Amino acid sequence: EVQLVETGGGLVQPGGSLRLSCAASGFAFNQYWMGWVRQAPGKGLEWVANIKQDGSGTYYADSVKGRFTISRDNAQKSVSLQMTSLRAEDTAIYYCATLFMAGSSFDYWGQGTLVTVSS
Amino acid sequence: SYELTQPPSVSVAPGQTARITCGGNKIGSQSVHWYQQKPGQAPILVVYDDSDRPSGIPERLSGSKSGQTATLTISRVEAGDEADYYCQVWDNTSDLWVFGGGTKLSVL
Repeated sequence: EVQLVETGGGLVQPGGSLRLSCAASGFAFNQYWMGWVRQAPGKGLEWVANIKQDGSGTYYADSVKGRFTISRDNAQKSVSLQMTSLRAEDTAIYYCATLFMAGSSFDYWGQGTLVTVSS
Repeated sequence: SYELTQPPSVSVAPGQTARITCGGNKIGSQSVHWYQQKPGQAPILVVYDDSDRPSGIPERLSGSKSGQTATLTISRVEAGDEADYYCQVWDNTSDLWVFGGGTKLSVL
């Protein structure tokens, strides 16, 4: 059974930093891209970032480019999202998800972790 | 940036057919994926690559595409189908992954 468990969410002040992690199990982690998708309160889904199987390629939404960094550790079967210069508009539930390749769907999703940016 | 357009809401009586559209000017050349999200839950994939269903998704849910519009059709709608539905594509010209704004399906 595929499991994705996100951790690291919480309350952070504007301008602060936070690191999210996603622990994966139940599938061949090193054969899948991984991604982060967020959802602001009462809003729709917004793609945030993706990373290739071996970490050789990373991709970001314009709204987070230069502030967020996605990385992965295939030995530990985990993917992380380092978030800096956080803004109120980054407040959202952050989901990690799998995708087999660039054009494929987000097949499996974690339950999400809430990030709140507020003073 | 590329956008996908969905109606904010669709309402249908139980047993009837719901159709949720997703419009985009490059959608004819893109693989469209659909997700269902119930309140307080993570999204789940219900249709991928325009019209394929993951295992465990009922045949009542189907996807299609024509011209610049993709459609998620839910036949014989049940109360349990009430949820938000999102379409999604990969824009390969910009390497951006795009979600539609979402459609709230209400079962009357």
